[in-house]
Amino acid sequence: DTAVSQTPKYLVTQMGNDKSIKCEQNLGHDTMYWYKQDSKKFLKIMFSYNNKELIINETVPNRFSPKSPDKAHLNLHINSLELGDSAVYFCASSPQLFSNYGYTFGSGTRLTVV
Amino acid sequence: DQQVKQNSPSLSVQEGRISILNCDYTNSMFDYFLWYKKYPAEGPTFLISISSIKDKNEDGRFTVFLNKSAKHLSLHIVPSQPGDSAVYFCAASVGQGAQKLVFGQGTRLTINP
Repeated sequence: DTAVSQTPKYLVTQMGNDKSIKCEQNLGHDTMYWYKQDSKKFLKIMFSYNNKELIINETVPNRFSPKSPDKAHLNLHINSLELGDSAVYFCASSPQLFSNYGYTFGSGTRLTVV
Repeated sequence: DQQVKQNSPSLSVQEGRISILNCDYTNSMFDYFLWYKKYPAEGPTFLISISSIKDKNEDGRFTVFLNKSAKHLSLHIVPSQPGDSAVYFCAASVGQGAQKLVFGQGTRLTINP
């Protein structure tokens, strides 16, 4: 019973393609996030959603578009992929917007753009 | 501009000894700090946290110390066990909630038998 599951785990694609990463949580949490782990290993927030409402959009290029069809799902669609988009993308959730106990992370999606 | 830094990319400790992982931050508005542990091919998992109103928080073998004047926190693991080998991330937020976490780049801890 995976709490936060992401698919696919690995994604290799060519520059210019459009791709999506899916995330689902079965914890009943209200808030979901996308984080990007860059080449220097820093985890940086991209988006957060609370009950399907966009809360944080952290100066991410508009080629990245999150979609939250319900509070258990937060998908990430990326248009016109560039080499610099290669990274590991982590989905996470937390019980509510202001949660003192940190997040539950998915296992990550390693995106490689060639 | 990295607001949270872990200056040691790796640390090797003998089993049974103390492991000390360090983290520095620059934003004085941060008032809530967390440590996460990450195994390969898995997502980070929450380990322990501390609010800025405290200078120490303990949970079993794990203790986090916060020095606000130095803008420094550390994670102590005593005694270190082989299963502790992982990458450890510190993270900080403004406000008691984890609405937006700013992460360091991680320290890889290896426990040697």
